[in-house]
Amino acid sequence: DIVMTQSPDSLAVSLGERATINCKSSQSVLYSSNNKNYLAWYQQKPGQPPKLLIYWASTRDSGVPDRFSGSGSGTDFTLTISSLQADDVAVYYCQQYYSTPRTFGQGTKLEIK
Amino acid sequence: EVQLVESGGGLVQPGGSLKLSCAASGFTFSGSAIHWVRQASGKGLEWVGRIRSKADSYATAYAASVKGRFTISRDDSKNTAYLQMNSLKTEDTAVYYCSDGDSGAWGQGTLVTVSS
Repeated sequence: DIVMTQSPDSLAVSLGERATINCKSSQSVLYSSNNKNYLAWYQQKPGQPPKLLIYWASTRDSGVPDRFSGSGSGTDFTLTISSLQADDVAVYYCQQYYSTPRTFGQGTKLEIK
Repeated sequence: EVQLVESGGGLVQPGGSLKLSCAASGFTFSGSAIHWVRQASGKGLEWVGRIRSKADSYATAYAASVKGRFTISRDDSKNTAYLQMNSLKTEDTAVYYCSDGDSGAWGQGTLVTVSS
């Protein structure tokens, strides 16, 4: 199984500042035949289901604000929120869909400093 | 609008069975893979399994923690997927979500509690 490891486990950032969450996979999730990274990012607020933010490591889902961006390739990935808003307080998860089981990172809790 | 609604959760004793449903609307259900994911209270997300479409022979895959006990099926005529859970353990207690593999949409979840 591919193990997904996120860092940090929790993060406190001031409003308007940049937030960066990292995700590392135990093996590459880059599929060479199409040059796509099978990596997604989700946002989960208390009492709500996860919401898809990013897929193919860097493609924003429809309606996701452009302050959210994803980057990376192979085994190392980053979710960046360029200017933190109060509404961004949540737990963020990465997930690989390169192979089954489709494993998730342990989550990163993002709070306001 | 893509919508997924889970139902069938509840309290069940260890060793018991429960069948969850995932009713879909707003997209071409028959062409989509459906995934089940669970989340124990205060914990992270755990992928449970998935079923592919008829075009992919309704292929299923499961997490090791549920393989042999859980079965995923679907009825495309009813736009509904199912998660049959047998030999339930206390550690299966969680909110169970279904999600559409294409759009990334998720349902609101249904709570399963396994306790004596």
